[in-house]
Amino acid sequence: IRLTQSPSSLSASVGDRVTITCRASQGIRNYLAWYQQKPGKAPKVLIYAASTLQSGVPSRFSGSGSGTDFTLTISSLQPEDFATYYCQQLNNYPPYTFGQGTKLE
Amino acid sequence: EVQLLESGGGLVQPGGSLRLSCAASGFTFSSYAMSWVRQGAGKGLEWVSSIRTSGGSTYYADSVKGRFTISRDNSKNTLYLQMNSLRADDTAVYYCARQAWTHYFYDNWGQGTLVTVSS
Repeated sequence: IRLTQSPSSLSASVGDRVTITCRASQGIRNYLAWYQQKPGKAPKVLIYAASTLQSGVPSRFSGSGSGTDFTLTISSLQPEDFATYYCQQLNNYPPYTFGQGTKLE
Repeated sequence: EVQLLESGGGLVQPGGSLRLSCAASGFTFSSYAMSWVRQGAGKGLEWVSSIRTSGGSTYYADSVKGRFTISRDNSKNTLYLQMNSLRADDTAVYYCARQAWTHYFYDNWGQGTLVTVSS
């Protein structure tokens, strides 16, 4: 299963509403997670099951979608949100592929 | 507090071997599936391998199949990745990650260990 994220990079400003999309090459139900990664750090999960916010993650992050099309939305961008975002599909057995990433600048 | 601490990375020549370890603490290690994920410099995340709780089922990316072996010692709370026949394109930071019980996402990650394959 291939995941295609768009855009690959995105320029935005503090306070902007930002949307990142992830498209799967075949249906993956809602077995999709979103991660945030900052330079030199391990990824951190934001959303799982396509739309469930991980404990401790700010509510400005939200996810939606099912099947093949998914979105991650940041409602009002904060300075600490500038990072790279990855989607990952976890449907059935591995391989648990990642999208290619979206760098938010 | 959940902690995952990788070790074993370093510089190795092409064709060489290395064994990575991931020491787990703060949770019941034997109850969780675990994975290795790697990231080349300036590149995206790549799933490498996963292992189920008992170690009876293992999975590998095509890029490492036949060269890498994932294993675990639940008595030592440790995950391993034996890497043989290493190539330059295996150069990356290797992360271990804990897999959540539902929807299988990675809810905790280690800090990563760098593997450099070069002559």
